Amino acid sequence: EAGVTQFPSHSVIEKGQTVTLRCDPISGHDNLYWYRRVMGKEIKFLLHFVKESKQDESGMPNNRFLAERTGGTYSTLKVQPAELEDSGVYFCASSSNIVGIYGYTFGSGTRLTVV
Amino acid sequence: AQKVTQAQTEISVVEKEDVTLDCVYETRDTTYYLFWYKQPPSGELVFLIRRNSFDEQNEISGRYSWNFQKSTSSFNFTITASQVVDSAVYFCALSRLSGAGSYQLTFGKGTKLSVIP
Repeated sequence: EAGVTQFPSHSVIEKGQTVTLRCDPISGHDNLYWYRRVMGKEIKFLLHFVKESKQDESGMPNNRFLAERTGGTYSTLKVQPAELEDSGVYFCASSSNIVGIYGYTFGSGTRLTVV
Repeated sequence: AQKVTQAQTEISVVEKEDVTLDCVYETRDTTYYLFWYKQPPSGELVFLIRRNSFDEQNEISGRYSWNFQKSTSSFNFTITASQVVDSAVYFCALSRLSGAGSYQLTFGKGTKLSVIP
């Protein structure tokens, strides 16, 4: 089966611009997660979708971040306006089971650089 | 609060040596799950193992083995007879049910393993 696909793989934008990251989970996986790793820090949870509903968005840093999952398939994460501290690697993961019995399958991430 | 500590930032070994990656976690929960992920140079996080807090049996999968000890809150990972292809960053992670009904992973900072031919 195809894995979790994220694009773009890299994005360089100027401070104040808008960027939209996309994640295509494994087909049939109801659970979709966003995580990010900023430079030198741990990978941190952002939010969790179950189908098209936000189950938990407690990790979203502020209201400049907006995640959507229309129709319960792919998800987008928009950052508007981007700030320098938003630079990092954004990972998406999906799973068929909420407790991750078979693990959570991660994508390769989108490396975002805000200059 | 949950925390995962991987004290080894970088490790270098010569091919065929055994290597152990340490992971120590903190949690107040009685039910939780522990994971190991591998991040090769291509960037994706590859799932290696999941262990629940009630299962302290050690596990072996080929050259990989994991030692889970609740008494010391550790979940260490050993690679036997290391190979160059094992070179990667390895992450230990802990998950628990959040107040919002979600299982969030708390990651350690990762250990970069370099296997020298």
